[in-house]
Amino acid sequence: EAGVAQSPRYKIIEKRQSVAFWCNPISGHATLYWYQQILGQGPKLLIQFQNNGVVDDSQLPKDRFSAERLKGVDSTLKIQPAKLEDSAVYLCASSSQGGGTEAFFGQGTRLTVV
Amino acid sequence: GDSVTQMEGPVTLSEEAFLTINCTYTATGYPSLFWYVQYPGEGLQLLLKATKADDKGSNKGFEATYRKETTSFHLEKGSVQVSDSAVYFCALRGNSGNTPLVFGKGTRLSVIA
Repeated sequence: EAGVAQSPRYKIIEKRQSVAFWCNPISGHATLYWYQQILGQGPKLLIQFQNNGVVDDSQLPKDRFSAERLKGVDSTLKIQPAKLEDSAVYLCASSSQGGGTEAFFGQGTRLTVV
Repeated sequence: GDSVTQMEGPVTLSEEAFLTINCTYTATGYPSLFWYVQYPGEGLQLLLKATKADDKGSNKGFEATYRKETTSFHLEKGSVQVSDSAVYFCALRGNSGNTPLVFGKGTRLSVIA
């Protein structure tokens, strides 16, 4: 079974530039998550999709971050314009439905804003 | 809201030492509890889980028991190896609806030979 795929693995941009991350979840998983992991901290949820609808985006900084999940499969997370404090690892995860089920994570995209 | 508190790191142990990483949680209802591990340069991997009170999750010599009375899910291993060096995250997921995982801050473990 293929895992969660993310690209790119690494990205370095200057502040005020824009950047986009891509995620392909495990086949058949209806739920997709984007998490932000700042160095030394645990992952923090940015947005959760159920199929192609948003379930929770309460912690997404909507003035600069946007995300979409067209056709309920792949997803893209965008930052525009980037700030220095956006430097982090961006993790995509997917899961099947059910409270007891675990989420499966991709390897993440390490973003450095200079 | 739901939250997870785990012991501060880093933790440094000698090979074959006993490991305990404490984790307590705050949640409404009866969440499912998880331990994830992040090896250097890799993504998060599920280590073990428990979905109801008194359940014991186990994998690769690691164990954790879901204690509802103390709202805890402490991770233990009887004899650590150098290859266990990683960051360990405790997490919970509510059982009502399709709720996301909520993570603790992580505990870095270094095992020296």
